[in-house]
Amino acid sequence: AQSVTQPDIHITVSEGASLELRCNYSYGATPYLFWYVQSPGQGLQLLLKYFSGDTLVQGIKGFEAEFKRSQSSFNLRKPSVHWSDAAEYFCAVVHPMEYGNKLVFGAGTILRVKS
Amino acid sequence: DSGVTQTPKHLITATGQRVTLRCSPRSGDLSVYWYQQSLDQGLQFLIQYYNGEERAKGNILERFSAQQFPDLHSELNLSSLELGDSALYFCASSVGDRPSEKLFFGSGTQLSVL
Repeated sequence: AQSVTQPDIHITVSEGASLELRCNYSYGATPYLFWYVQSPGQGLQLLLKYFSGDTLVQGIKGFEAEFKRSQSSFNLRKPSVHWSDAAEYFCAVVHPMEYGNKLVFGAGTILRVKS
Repeated sequence: DSGVTQTPKHLITATGQRVTLRCSPRSGDLSVYWYQQSLDQGLQFLIQYYNGEERAKGNILERFSAQQFPDLHSELNLSSLELGDSALYFCASSVGDRPSEKLFFGSGTQLSVL
């Protein structure tokens, strides 16, 4: 069965520092890949997605992610973190040929930003 | 604001009871999804409807049921509630039903079963 692993439950970075959140997937084929962010008391918001093509994808709020097939990874990065980036981040996958849209989410990584 | 409306925001009830959660999708979206978020299970896909028809099913318990009405709003019915059903229930919507769709999430209904 497909699975998504986010190995870091919590990450703390200083404001202005760079950020990398890890995501690994286990799948029979290359899935569609997504990163969502959940701010406290809010629903999830899509940051970026990867289907095919250029392995470096740009998203909203200055985030980017790189797909590495050899490592089954889709890590999220941001060069300079702002205090407003403090939130929980979820990596998600879906099979491109599956009927319907059953997104499978990782456990999430809580980002804390210290000033 | 995602445009997806969920009511109520909070619900407190007792074991054995039945509750209904309501979701209004974004204008023009035909797909509605239900997700459960709990501390031990994380975010779990429950069910998807597309234009009134069930499209995909996840790990939804038999005590739970959902439907999408002709006006495209959806309801999730939870019955014979147990303590373990306490969770945040999200509704999301999208234009179509393909795996590439961008989902727009509501802010959730927090269910507490006492």
